[in-house]
Amino acid sequence: EAQVTQNPRYLITVTGKKLTVTCSQNMNHEYMSWYRQDPGLGLRQIYYSMNVEVTDKGDVPEGYKVSRKEKRNFPLILESPSPNQTSLYFCASSSWQGNGYTFGSGTRLTVV
Amino acid sequence: KNEVEQSPQNLTAQEGEFITINCSYSVGISALHWLQQHPGGGIVSLFMLSSGKKKHGRLIATINIQEKHSSLHITASHPRDSAVYICAVLPLTSGTYKYIFGTGTRLKVLA
Repeated sequence: EAQVTQNPRYLITVTGKKLTVTCSQNMNHEYMSWYRQDPGLGLRQIYYSMNVEVTDKGDVPEGYKVSRKEKRNFPLILESPSPNQTSLYFCASSSWQGNGYTFGSGTRLTVV
Repeated sequence: KNEVEQSPQNLTAQEGEFITINCSYSVGISALHWLQQHPGGGIVSLFMLSSGKKKHGRLIATINIQEKHSSLHITASHPRDSAVYICAVLPLTSGTYKYIFGTGTRLKVLA
């Protein structure tokens, strides 16, 4: 089954404790992206990647890091999480033309 | 002004009604997606459009590139259609690949 797998689904952590949210896709998609969704603000792009070792900032990259060492994986790293990073996070992938735009099931992160 | 505007923001309909959700955008685009987000949070891409019209079951999506406008229609609406519908556009900007999202239309279909 074609899918984007995100883990964990739920995470509660403390301020400053480094964490990684994993994202993996099995569709050989070139494009992968991370978004956060906050009430009243909609989906906002954090980082995206056009292919292996090619990443670029989205609209809200501060406080986040990503890497794309393999085509299928695109982890999101929070080196020192803060409470304002409490949000619902989505990973998504597609072909570079936009075909097959598929979202992960989301990660609800709470930073206390 | 947002680059992607959706209307209405909220919509309540009775089961069986014909529903239209609109998306207007101000940039040149290479593709437009209609996304559906159910209360549980998951997001599904319903359609990708670059021109014309697409139909899947009771859902129809149209796009007018010249007018920079797209519509999502739901025929014979059902309570299970209750969700947030989000328009996302991929701008024709070389060197970047940043989708722009509308803020969504919250649809509630009453039985």
